[in-house]
Amino acid sequence: DTEVTQTPKHLVMGMTNKKSLKCEQHMGHRAMYWYKQKAKKPPELMFVYSYEKLSINESVPSRFSPECPNSSLLNLHLHALQPEDSALYLCASSAGTSGDPILRDTQYFGPGTRLTVL
Amino acid sequence: AQSVAQPEDQVNVAEGNPLTVKCTYSVSGNPYLFWYVQYPNRGLQFLLKYITGDNLVKGSYGFEAEFNKSQTSFHLKKPSALVSDSALYFCAVSLAGGATNKLIFGTGTLLAVQP
Repeated sequence: DTEVTQTPKHLVMGMTNKKSLKCEQHMGHRAMYWYKQKAKKPPELMFVYSYEKLSINESVPSRFSPECPNSSLLNLHLHALQPEDSALYLCASSAGTSGDPILRDTQYFGPGTRLTVL
Repeated sequence: AQSVAQPEDQVNVAEGNPLTVKCTYSVSGNPYLFWYVQYPNRGLQFLLKYITGDNLVKGSYGFEAEFNKSQTSFHLKKPSALVSDSALYFCAVSLAGGATNKLIFGTGTLLAVQP
């Protein structure tokens, strides 16, 4: 099973709201990723967690706050967003250094959360 | 600096005809090369990957890709296109090794298959 789930599917929020995006995988993967994707553009990496520790932050504004409560869950907390933050937010996971070397570096993506900031 | 190029914004092909979506890369070291497909309002789906060995890689839904080291290319192919193949295709590269691998994506190619 190569499934990554994301909730909610759609989210509309005002610039003063606080909301969270949730991502879950049960593949035993040890690396998890957040991406932001604008329409018809490639995904842009935001954060990487490896073994539940933040390993990469691609200079993302502090209004985005990631959290990895355990190896299966990844959250993205949102606060005081701007309209230009409206996008599809994708979560992905990969096996990390464990498992079949043929598969371990493949990232599997969730369906995304479509975020609209008013 | 590592980069991936997809020279065509859009590829149009008639159903039943062969299709090719082009990708070239520029990396130092040994790359892992990927193709992903994205249907409207969906996440990216993994199609296939090259890490080493046979230059022809077979993937999901009848797609295959040919790795050419001398031309630094990794073109996606399918012998007979289906209307349902219409989607946005991304080529990506990562460098081997490490617990996490940053993917460098191309700009994407929109494949339109006409009935």
